[in-house]
Amino acid sequence: SAVISQKPSRDICQRGTSLTIQCQVDSQVTMMFWYRQQPGQSLTLIATANQGSEATYESGFVIDKFPISRPNLTFSTLTVSNMSPEDSSIYLCSGGVNEQFFGPGTRLTVL
Amino acid sequence: QQQVKQSPQSLIVQKGGISIINCAYENTAFDYFPWYQQFPGKGPALLIAIRPDVSEKKEGRFTISFNKSAKQFSLHIMDSQPGDSATYFCAASIVGTSYGKLTFGQGTILTVHP
Repeated sequence: SAVISQKPSRDICQRGTSLTIQCQVDSQVTMMFWYRQQPGQSLTLIATANQGSEATYESGFVIDKFPISRPNLTFSTLTVSNMSPEDSSIYLCSGGVNEQFFGPGTRLTVL
Repeated sequence: QQQVKQSPQSLIVQKGGISIINCAYENTAFDYFPWYQQFPGKGPALLIAIRPDVSEKKEGRFTISFNKSAKQFSLHIMDSQPGDSATYFCAASIVGTSYGKLTFGQGTILTVHP
């Protein structure tokens, strides 16, 4: 199994600002994933983060809005840029070799 | 093509009863089917997963039943306990591309009454 931590656990941000979320895995993994979970809803994949290459984004998500870094095999960041209230959500990262394990999530509120 | 449909949306069970949650998928390329349990304020936790080469997998009180021809799979929780009260998500992915690129069902809120 893999243990995944995220920082910050929650934040309240002003419209128009950006927030960077960090994700740390306790073992090396080839791929890490970023998901969004709106309150009371299911999880939607934002992008796949590979070490050494650009992230691959799912339909409806773009790099300018959600830039991702993956500097090594245990760490990734997701930035939510130019935030609006519609970005208020829980952001989750996941990783693992075969099975996927999730971090505790970052609860973002945009005012 | 990529959808995973989950039912019921919510489920109330008495302590000691059996909880059954169903999922159906459309994409026949899916070949990995995990179930996750999520408590409020926490990330999803992997419960149990199945590949389509078996029709059933059991781990403790949790069993996955898989019907490849019907493109359906279900989670059975035996002897349900109040501590099982949580939101359950089924998911699916294609191992060849990535285990982690999961398509999730809509979720089922399970309440187990004591």
